[in-house]
Amino acid sequence: AQTVTQSQPEMSVQEAETVTLSCTYDTSENNYYLFWYKQPPSRQMILVIRQEAYKQQNATENRFSVNFQKAAKSFSLKISDSQLGDTAMYFCAHAGGTSYGKLTFGQGTILTVHP
Amino acid sequence: DTGVSQNPRHKITKRGQNVTFRCDPISEHNRLYWYRQTLGQGPEFLTYFQNEAQLEKSRLLSDRFSAERPKGSFSTLEIQRTEQGDSAMYLCASSFLFPSPSGTYNEQFFGPGTRLTVL
Repeated sequence: AQTVTQSQPEMSVQEAETVTLSCTYDTSENNYYLFWYKQPPSRQMILVIRQEAYKQQNATENRFSVNFQKAAKSFSLKISDSQLGDTAMYFCAHAGGTSYGKLTFGQGTILTVHP
Repeated sequence: DTGVSQNPRHKITKRGQNVTFRCDPISEHNRLYWYRQTLGQGPEFLTYFQNEAQLEKSRLLSDRFSAERPKGSFSTLEIQRTEQGDSAMYLCASSFLFPSPSGTYNEQFFGPGTRLTVL
């Protein structure tokens, strides 16, 4: 069974600063994927960044980057140069490498970016 | 329209009534997923389809819940004899299966959800 844990219910950051959201996971799969999804208030969920477990290099997407520590089963998200539009609920998620790709989500972290 | 759509967006019903939700995935996507999200929590997997075949159902999906994807396109999720505990956001996501070195990878695109309130 897969579990995903986000231990920070809420975080806040000043505009233009950097913030890191934490995530730990447990999995029985050898091949898997990890994701960060963003869910703005009253809007649909969108994918921010993904990491394939077999890749050692940390994924980056513009201002978003991850710190993937496979042995520690840790997968944190760093947001640089935070913008007001980054205010949202962020979910860490896992999908096994088997064929169906069911997502297991963490509890979420509410991020508020202050002007 | 290139996104996942869900209808209705909001549904208020009385306990004991039946409700049905619809999801229209992105047209070329062969996989369709249903998730349930309660307030302040992460989505929980309910079931998924590959084309018209329902390949997995979560234990969360009691016998009051049924999902279909009759022609491998849109899907419906029906809840019979609704209970107050069924109040939640019901999310649909679709993806296109393709292989990668890690196995198979499919980015899931989410719809806006249907918010169900059971009085």
